[in-house]
Amino acid sequence: GQSLEQPSEVTAVEGAIVQINCTYQTSGFYGLSWYQQHDGGAPTFLSYNGLDGLEETGRFSSFLSRSDSYGYLLLQELQMKDSASYFCAVRDGYGQNFVFGPGTRLSVLP
Amino acid sequence: DTEVTQTPKHLVMGMTNKKSLKCEQHMGHRAMYWYKQKAKKPPELMFVYSYEKLSINESVPSRFSPECPNSSLLNLHLHALQPEDSALYLCASSQVQRREQYFGPGTRLTVT
Repeated sequence: GQSLEQPSEVTAVEGAIVQINCTYQTSGFYGLSWYQQHDGGAPTFLSYNGLDGLEETGRFSSFLSRSDSYGYLLLQELQMKDSASYFCAVRDGYGQNFVFGPGTRLSVLP
Repeated sequence: DTEVTQTPKHLVMGMTNKKSLKCEQHMGHRAMYWYKQKAKKPPELMFVYSYEKLSINESVPSRFSPECPNSSLLNLHLHALQPEDSALYLCASSQVQRREQYFGPGTRLTVT
């Protein structure tokens, strides 16, 4: 089977740094992606890790440890507009099968 | 053009109705997806088309029938739905075997 775990909620203040963790158990593994979804909006792609290590894209970074089946999304210099749900997603070995984690609701306070 | 469009934005239908959701992209992507998303839940994969052929059907009830008429279009035909099928239906596209999916804004479906 496939399962991903994320914290359900995280709260932080503007300007802070927050880390959202994701652990996964999947039958195959072809990389970990992160998506952001604002209320009423569509998911938008943020970052991808296919190999172990850190990927940086502006204020967002993502990390992967395949040996630990673990990854995280790091958001720096938080802004109010970062308040959204964040999903990790795994593409398992079967073609284009993407499985999303349960999502983490991030609230950024002034 | 990095946009995926979906129509309609909202749809209310009775349990005996037949309706269709439409999705279109012009990014040259050859993989297209249908997801179902309930409130406060993650997107749940329903169907995947790869090179216009159905490659994944995640045990979706037959009252949902996908169709990929060409590489730019994806339809989801709906028939005899149940109230529990009310959800946001998202279409997405990507290059085959690529990690980044582009999502459309979704169709908010209510079954009465």
